[in-house]
Amino acid sequence: QQQVKQSPQSLIVQKGGISIINCAYENTAFDYFPWYQQFPGKGPALLIAIRPDVSEKKEGRFTISFNKSAKQFSLHIMDSQPGDSATYFCAASSRTLSGNTGKLIFGQGTTLQVKP
Amino acid sequence: NAGVMQNPRHLVRRRGQEARLRCSPMKGHSHVYWYRQLPEEGLKFMVYLQKENIIDESGMPKERFSAEFPKEGPSILRIQQVVRGDSAAYFCASSPTGFNEKLFFGSGTQLSVL
Repeated sequence: QQQVKQSPQSLIVQKGGISIINCAYENTAFDYFPWYQQFPGKGPALLIAIRPDVSEKKEGRFTISFNKSAKQFSLHIMDSQPGDSATYFCAASSRTLSGNTGKLIFGQGTTLQVKP
Repeated sequence: NAGVMQNPRHLVRRRGQEARLRCSPMKGHSHVYWYRQLPEEGLKFMVYLQKENIIDESGMPKERFSAEFPKEGPSILRIQQVVRGDSAAYFCASSPTGFNEKLFFGSGTQLSVL
């Protein structure tokens, strides 16, 4: 019940295209949904995050779409660039479940390659 | 303004040896989290600590693993009598508060057990 399922495992997109990564969760107690970007040899870095009181959040070329009834959320990268090539992780957490410990449950990750 | 510092970056141990991984949080951060990343998998929560306290260790294996965050100095993740299955990347993250806002991750320690 505390799993977050992420797909696809890998993604190849042409430069300028749209990259879409999907995540699904089971536990309705989750109330915070961040996306992290990780480059090889580096730690994950927070990219964008959303709470369930909104259906969409946009920051530059990155957009999170959130569907509370379907328990799904997705990351859209518009005008994808070769520099976006990285591994992307969705995550979820719950203040109720974790007692304010900030424990994040991560998806399995998606390796994105943007071809020039 | 240095980020989260982890050392060593790479650590090689033989089976049965001890591994000590260090993490210095960002300046002003008193909350530290340890995560483990196995190949082709996401990050798995291990433990959450505040200064001198373990708050949540629900992700820590019951044996051989321990963590501390002393009043002075870095947080330490200690693995005793390492086995090949312990080979993974271990990431530390810090936060200014204990809420789920903006965890800042270090670059990780890659542990290889021979």
